[in-house]
Amino acid sequence: SAVISQKPSRDICQRGTSLTIQCQVDSQVTMMFWYRQQPGQSLTLIATANQGSEATYESGFVIDKFPISRPNLTFSTLTVSNMSPEDSSIYLCSVEVAGAFYGYTFGSGTRLTVV
Amino acid sequence: QQQVKQSPQSLIVQKGGISIINCAYENTAFDYFPWYQQFPGKGPALLIAIRPDVSEKKEGRFTISFNKSAKQFSLHIMDSQPGDSATYFCAASIGNFGNEKLTFGTGTRLTIIP
Repeated sequence: SAVISQKPSRDICQRGTSLTIQCQVDSQVTMMFWYRQQPGQSLTLIATANQGSEATYESGFVIDKFPISRPNLTFSTLTVSNMSPEDSSIYLCSVEVAGAFYGYTFGSGTRLTVV
Repeated sequence: QQQVKQSPQSLIVQKGGISIINCAYENTAFDYFPWYQQFPGKGPALLIAIRPDVSEKKEGRFTISFNKSAKQFSLHIMDSQPGDSATYFCAASIGNFGNEKLTFGTGTRLTIIP
């Protein structure tokens, strides 16, 4: 399966600032996703990162708050903008592994704390 | 709307015992049901998955049982070991493989005690 490198692994940020999270995959993938996992909670899909076009956002998530870039088939970024303490969470990149029954691979996540 | 309900929220099992985690879904269009295992500080890792054309799938000590009519599926961990202590998530998705979005259950924190 694909290997995902996600950076940074953790950060502590001041409210009102923005943080960009990077997701690098060691092979070309069609589908890339960004999830949020609040402490002790399940995973919620933020958006699907589409290569060459605008990301597709899930209900409750907007581009102004979570802008996403996907310049090629191996890389994507998620920005958490104008952060507040409510944005404190783990943000995870996930990719689909096409052509096999391996499902989806997740990065180790970025643990964000907003103070 | 919670489309995949998971229980129990937490589970303690003695070493060597059987751990059972249950999930129920509402949307009959779901056709892919994976289980993920997550250790602290790590992302979820795919453990085992099933499609609704079979009622059971076994991989080593891990078995998925699937009941299409009841819209339920469960994970059984045989001979549970302390290394199995983790959070387990069931999930479901729709569509041809390669273009799905996963809907996750709420998770079960499993603790295996010696």
